[in-house]
Amino acid sequence: DAGVTQSPTHLIKTRGQQVTLRCSPISGHKSVSWYQQVLGQGPQFIFQYYEKEERGRGNFPDRFSARQFPNYSSELNVNALLLGDSALYLCASSQGGLAGTDTQYFGPGTRLTVL
Amino acid sequence: KNEVEQSPQNLTAQEGEFITINCSYSVGISALHWLQQHPGGGIVSLFMLSSGKKKHGRLIATINIQEKHSSLHITASHPRDSAVYICAVPSYTGNQFYFGTGTSLTVIP
Repeated sequence: DAGVTQSPTHLIKTRGQQVTLRCSPISGHKSVSWYQQVLGQGPQFIFQYYEKEERGRGNFPDRFSARQFPNYSSELNVNALLLGDSALYLCASSQGGLAGTDTQYFGPGTRLTVL
Repeated sequence: KNEVEQSPQNLTAQEGEFITINCSYSVGISALHWLQQHPGGGIVSLFMLSSGKKKHGRLIATINIQEKHSSLHITASHPRDSAVYICAVPSYTGNQFYFGTGTSLTVIP
């Protein structure tokens, strides 16, 4: 079975631009969570979606938004990019509805660089 | 104050040594996760536990809910164990997820 996949692998944008990151969960998983990991730090929780509904949100500005599609894949959008948005963006899928009570399976991440 | 504190931040060990990484948290939780992150970014879930102790191969994770503390032990460490180990806890409602900053482990042959 394929694991969690993310695209693109790497991305370079300039300040003020918008970016869309994509995630496909493991087959049968209905929950997708997004995390931001700045170099040298631990991940930070951005969003969790379950059955196409937002179930959790971290401490991120409204420039960050996400959605989940009927096939359970997900997109993370970031508008008006700032230099500080440069990070590894990780997606994780799980079977259940709460981000913390199921084993999370992580994708390889998308490395975003904002110039 | 961070919701999750890990220690030590960095750890260097000789191959074969017994290793302990500690995690303390301040929020009410339903479970605690130990994650492993190798260079390049890939994260693997090692354990999810809500009480007691779990063992998988040379890895052992324990948790004390009353003291809000968990430990990850590696017995007979090996250079391939070199990675960053991250402790993560969901909030009790499950709609937030807090991560420690990680412990960078290097095992020298």
